[in-house]
Amino acid sequence: QSALTQPPSASGSLGQSVTISCTGTSSDIGRYNYVCWYQQYPGKAPKLIIYEVTKRPSGVPDRFSGSKSGNTASLTISGLQAEDEADYYCTSYAVTYSWLFGGGTKLTVL
Amino acid sequence: QVQLVQSGADVKKPGASVRVSCKTSGYTFTGYYIHWVRQAPGQGLEWVGWVNPNNGATDYAQKFEGRVTMTRDTSINTAYMEMTSLTSADTAVYYCARGVVMAFDSWAQGTQVTVS
Repeated sequence: QSALTQPPSASGSLGQSVTISCTGTSSDIGRYNYVCWYQQYPGKAPKLIIYEVTKRPSGVPDRFSGSKSGNTASLTISGLQAEDEADYYCTSYAVTYSWLFGGGTKLTVL
Repeated sequence: QVQLVQSGADVKKPGASVRVSCKTSGYTFTGYYIHWVRQAPGQGLEWVGWVNPNNGATDYAQKFEGRVTMTRDTSINTAYMEMTSLTSADTAVYYCARGVVMAFDSWAQGTQVTVS
C-alpha cells in the first residue's frame, strides 16, 4: 500500500480535461507545499511536470496544472493530447524527513 | 545540459550486495542532492534516500536503514548506492535523480537490478 492515494486509472477524450487526485495526510500534503507530479512512459524514467504544488518546470506545457486543498493535491490536464497517455505519480515531502509517492495513475486518452 | 547516467543492469544472488553508480555532468555536482528512487516490476515509485555531494551527508528511508549506503566521489562527479542483504523483493529498476527545491528535476535512465 502506497503512502499517498491515487486512483489507479483515469481517462479522458482528446481535447477534454482530466483531473487526477492524490490524497495524503496532515503530515505530508497537508503540512507542506512540496507536492510534485511526475509523468512516466513505459520503460522510461519519470519526468517532473509540477513542483511546489503549482509550478511548472521550463518546457512543460501550460495544459498541466496543479492544486492543493487540505490533504489532497490534484493534477489537471486540459486539452488532452494523445501523448499525454502515460502514468502519473504524485509525491510529497513528509514530517519524517522523507518523500512519499502515490501508487500512480494510468491515464488513457480516448 | 544536465545529464545523469547510471551503470548497467546487474543480476545478484539472494544475500548479495549491489552497487549502482550515477555519473553526472552539465552542472555543479556539489550543488545539488542526489536522490535514489526504485520501481519494482509493474509497481509504483519508492524513495530510497539521498546523498549530499557537498559533504557526504545522507538520509535514508526508514525501510532501508542499515541496508543501504549512499556515497559520492566529487573527483568524478559520481554518486553511488550500495544495498546489501538483497532479496527478491529488491528486484527493481533503481533511478538516481537530482534534487531541486524538494523535487527531482533530472533523472538518469535507471538500472535494472535482478535478485535471483
